[in-house]
Amino acid sequence: EVQLEQSGAEVKKPGESLRISCKTSGYTFTNSWITWVRQMPGKGLEWMGKFDPSDPDTDSQSNYSPSFRGHVTFSGDRAITTAYLQWSSLRPSDTATYFCARLTDKQYLDFWGQGTRVTVSS
Amino acid sequence: SYELTQPPSVSVSPGQTANITCSGYNLEHKYTSWYQQIPGQSPIVVIHQDHRRPSGIPERFSGANSGNTATLTISGAQAVDEADYFCQAWDNNNDLVFGGGTKLTVL
Repeated sequence: EVQLEQSGAEVKKPGESLRISCKTSGYTFTNSWITWVRQMPGKGLEWMGKFDPSDPDTDSQSNYSPSFRGHVTFSGDRAITTAYLQWSSLRPSDTATYFCARLTDKQYLDFWGQGTRVTVSS
Repeated sequence: SYELTQPPSVSVSPGQTANITCSGYNLEHKYTSWYQQIPGQSPIVVIHQDHRRPSGIPERFSGANSGNTATLTISGAQAVDEADYFCQAWDNNNDLVFGGGTKLTVL
């Protein structure tokens, strides 16, 4: 059974760093891209970008949405089949729920994590 | 940037047919997927590749894509179908795009 298990809720201050995780199981981690999706409170879904766990080149393994490029970083650990989303300096506007989701070869998102709520407030 | 436009809300009575539209330039030349999100839960895919229904999704869910509009149809809508629905496609830069979402009310 395919599962994506995300890390728990976080409360941080502006300027702090953060890394949240998406632990995958039930399939071969390197066979599918992982996408990240933001949902601000009461709002819709926003695609942040996608990460290719099979690509060892850190420069090419991630595609970022223009709206998020330069503010977030995707990464992964093949040994523990886990993908990560990280910020080096959080802003209050980063307050949202973040979902990871598996991208199929048919270009849709078939399995989703349960979401990680991030609150950034002074 | 590519945009997908959905009506903010759709209301139907139980047992009626709900049609949720998603408009985008030349959308018929792109595959469209649809996701259902019940408040407080993660989205699930209900239609992919315009009209394909994943296993476990009821037959009352169907999809079509023609011209500039994709449509999600729920035939015989039920109270359990009340949720937000989002369409999704890929733009020419290989970026994923979501529609703004449609709140379906069944009452």
